[in-house]
Amino acid sequence: GENVEQHPSTLSVQEGDSAVIKCTYSDSASNYFPWYKQELGKRPQLIIDIRSNVGEKKDQRIAVTLNKTAKHFSLHITETQPEDSAVYFCAASINYGQNFVFGPGTRLSVLP
Amino acid sequence: DTGVSQDPRHKITKRGQNVTFRCDPISEHNRLYWYRQTLGQGPEFLTYFQNEAQLEKSRLLSDRFSAERPKGSFSTLEIQRTEQGDSAMYLCASSSRDRAIHEQYFGPGTRLTVT
Repeated sequence: GENVEQHPSTLSVQEGDSAVIKCTYSDSASNYFPWYKQELGKRPQLIIDIRSNVGEKKDQRIAVTLNKTAKHFSLHITETQPEDSAVYFCAASINYGQNFVFGPGTRLSVLP
Repeated sequence: DTGVSQDPRHKITKRGQNVTFRCDPISEHNRLYWYRQTLGQGPEFLTYFQNEAQLEKSRLLSDRFSAERPKGSFSTLEIQRTEQGDSAMYLCASSSRDRAIHEQYFGPGTRLTVT
């Protein structure tokens, strides 16, 4: 079955700097890759997603890149703000969004 | 609140007891998912419904676990003979019947503590 790895497990950046989180997946049939943000004690919420027929997608300060050949995808957050501090989870899915396999998460701390 | 709701939010039970959790998805969503999340880990898929049909079950879902969605609306997850290893956050999510929309909307979760 699908296996998703995520690095780093923790990341601290200064406010205004960029943050990059990387994920790798094992099943080449995966075709949908969402990123979820989970603040302490709250539910996971989708922040951006990408389908396998697209190499990059951007939404304001957030972007995701996908390399299907290498089976990895990355989340890029620019101009980080303290409210970006949270745990970020990547996921991979076959059949566009049915069974999600999540990575173990990255705890991002944005230091003022 | 038109989001996904779960009840109860917290449940403390003794080992060996049965527990049942309820999930109410977003009303127009026909797909419903159950996940388990332990501290410091990502959600782990348990099972998935499309309308009332249970289409996929993880091997994590032992024979002590059963899920239903009898009318294609709310769903229940029952754990029989609970064990301390069942302590976790149980998350429900739902997604749209529109095949072009893949986002899963999560509920607040039910935190289970087995003593």
